[in-house]
Amino acid sequence: ETGVTQTPRHLVMGMTNKKSLKCEQHLGHNAMYWYKQSAKKPLELMFVYNFKEQTENNSVPSRFSPECPNSSHLFLHLHTLQPEDSALYLCASSQDKGTGANVLTFGAGSRLTVL
Amino acid sequence: GQNIDQPTEMTATEGAIVQINCTYQTSGFNGLFWYQQHAGEAPTFLSYNVLDGLEEKGRFSSFLSRSKGYSYLLLKELQMKDSASYLCAVGDSNYQLIWGAGTKLIIKP
Repeated sequence: ETGVTQTPRHLVMGMTNKKSLKCEQHLGHNAMYWYKQSAKKPLELMFVYNFKEQTENNSVPSRFSPECPNSSHLFLHLHTLQPEDSALYLCASSQDKGTGANVLTFGAGSRLTVL
Repeated sequence: GQNIDQPTEMTATEGAIVQINCTYQTSGFNGLFWYQQHAGEAPTFLSYNVLDGLEEKGRFSSFLSRSKGYSYLLLKELQMKDSASYLCAVGDSNYQLIWGAGTKLIIKP
């Protein structure tokens, strides 16, 4: 049990579908993150929320829409995706953002395939 | 630009020692992290170095040289369960993590 739970673990969708990824943490952390992980590439930071406020959006296309209703939950809404968006989407949380020893706790990820 | 380099893949023998290197060029430095990621699982935190030197934690040790922009992760008495990807990440001046692409470690009997 990592403390960060992601659902669904696997998702296949067409380019015209709308779906959402969910992340939940019960660690009492204040910061939550969405990362994209593609094979043999570095983790790409997509969005950061600190105390429910979005603090970073790393030039992510608008077809990805994050939502953070409270400090424990994070969603990634997906619509009109492209095949190149197929990847593993990782959610992470940390105690705070902007400190040195900011250890991230990751979920196991949602494997997304766009047909 | 900011850059983290680490080998793509390494192979080692069960019971042996392996060293995974990581070199970095970042705007500022706020610590270096190592994470382990087994296939299909979440990355998990292994170590954090902010000062030069060696940090030992059981069979795993991590070394940092800030002047050289260099770190390594040393794994001793390798076990089959150590087969995983090892991710190096550096906190930049904005405390944002810059990640390497990971090193896939294969352990052979």
